[in-house]
Amino acid sequence: DIVMTQSPDSLAVSLGERATINCKSSQSVLYSSNNKNYLAWYQQKPGQPLKLLIYWASTRESGVPDRFSGSGSGTDFTLTISSLQAEDVAVYYCQQYYSTLSYTFGQGTKLEIK
Amino acid sequence: QVQLAQSGAEVKKPGASVKVSCKTSGYTFNDYGMHWVRQAPGQGLEWMGWIHNVNGKTKYSQKFQGRVTITRDTSATTGYMELSSLRSEDTAIYYCARDQGAGGIRPFDCWGQGTPVTVSS
Repeated sequence: DIVMTQSPDSLAVSLGERATINCKSSQSVLYSSNNKNYLAWYQQKPGQPLKLLIYWASTRESGVPDRFSGSGSGTDFTLTISSLQAEDVAVYYCQQYYSTLSYTFGQGTKLEIK
Repeated sequence: QVQLAQSGAEVKKPGASVKVSCKTSGYTFNDYGMHWVRQAPGQGLEWMGWIHNVNGKTKYSQKFQGRVTITRDTSATTGYMELSSLRSEDTAIYYCARDQGAGGIRPFDCWGQGTPVTVSS
């Protein structure tokens, strides 16, 4: 299985400041034939269904605020929230969908307000 | 809008089976695959398997192979996940999630609210 490792495990950021979450895969999730990274980011808030934020490493899902952005390629990826809002408090997960033998997720990063 | 409504909480004894349903609405059921993911208390997300909603083909995580069965009822636009030989470690919240496409190499773009399953003697 492709192992996804996020850092940090938890993060406290002041309102209006930038939040950065990293995700590293144990092998590349870049498919050379289409030059796409099979990497997604999800947001989980208590009592709510998980929400897809970013896919193909950097494509924002419809309706997701533009303060959320994704970057990276190959094995190293980043989710950035440019200006943290109170409603962004959540746990964030990265996921690879390159290996359909087993889709794997990172362990999660808990984001809080400082 | 797209909705995935899961069945209610379950309490099962070790060795029993549980079947969770996921009723969909707001989209053409056959155009999208469905995945099942679980989350044990305080843990991360673990993919269990998925079903291609057009041809009914399934793929399971090796960890659950032989214990999990994913099915669908196209007339009822509902997906099902059955897990057998339950043990305490299977205590978790079970989620259904829609594949963004039909072919299974896409992210999961809509999730159910989760079904808590408790395994306890």
